[in-house]
Amino acid sequence: GENVEQHPSTLSVQEGDSAVIKCTYSDSASNYFPWYKQELGKRPQLIIDIRSNVGEKKDQRIAVTLNKTAKHFSLHITETQPEDSAVYFCAATLSGTSYGKLTFGQGTILTVHP
Amino acid sequence: GAGVSQSPRYKVAKRGQDVALRCDPISGHVSLFWYQQALGQGPEFLTYFQNEAQLDKSGLPSDRFFAERPEGSVSTLKIQRTQQEDSAVYLCASSSSERDNEQFFGPGTRLTVL
Repeated sequence: GENVEQHPSTLSVQEGDSAVIKCTYSDSASNYFPWYKQELGKRPQLIIDIRSNVGEKKDQRIAVTLNKTAKHFSLHITETQPEDSAVYFCAATLSGTSYGKLTFGQGTILTVHP
Repeated sequence: GAGVSQSPRYKVAKRGQDVALRCDPISGHVSLFWYQQALGQGPEFLTYFQNEAQLDKSGLPSDRFFAERPEGSVSTLKIQRTQQEDSAVYLCASSSSERDNEQFFGPGTRLTVL
């Protein structure tokens, strides 16, 4: 089955700096990679996703890059703000021909200091 | 519109008790997933329903765990003879079809087994 590794487990940055979280996956057939943000005690919320036919996707301050050959993908947050502080999870799945159960990474606790 | 809802939000059970956790997916969503999230970890897949059919229960930890979705909408996850290691947040997620991978999560039920 799929295995997703996520690093770092904690990340502390100053407001305005950039933050990068990296994930690797094991199943080369995986083709859908979402990122979720989870605030303390709240539900995971999708912030951005990427499919394997695309190398990069950007949405305002958030971007995701995918390297299929190396089987890794990364989340980039620019101009971080205190409200970006949360736990971020990457995930991977095979979409299209299956129902897409998600395999999650272990999570990264991001703290943005004012 | 209404998102995924779960009840109860918190459940405390004595070891050996049975519990039932409810999930109301987004209306019309075909796919429904249950995940277990241990403290400080990413969600882990438990089981999947496509309408009323349970197509994958490979993630259920033991035969004490049972899930159903009899009418293809509301789902219930039942845990019999609860044990301390069952303590976790149980998340439900739904998506609009078996091929649409964007999953919308509920707020979860935090189960504590004493």
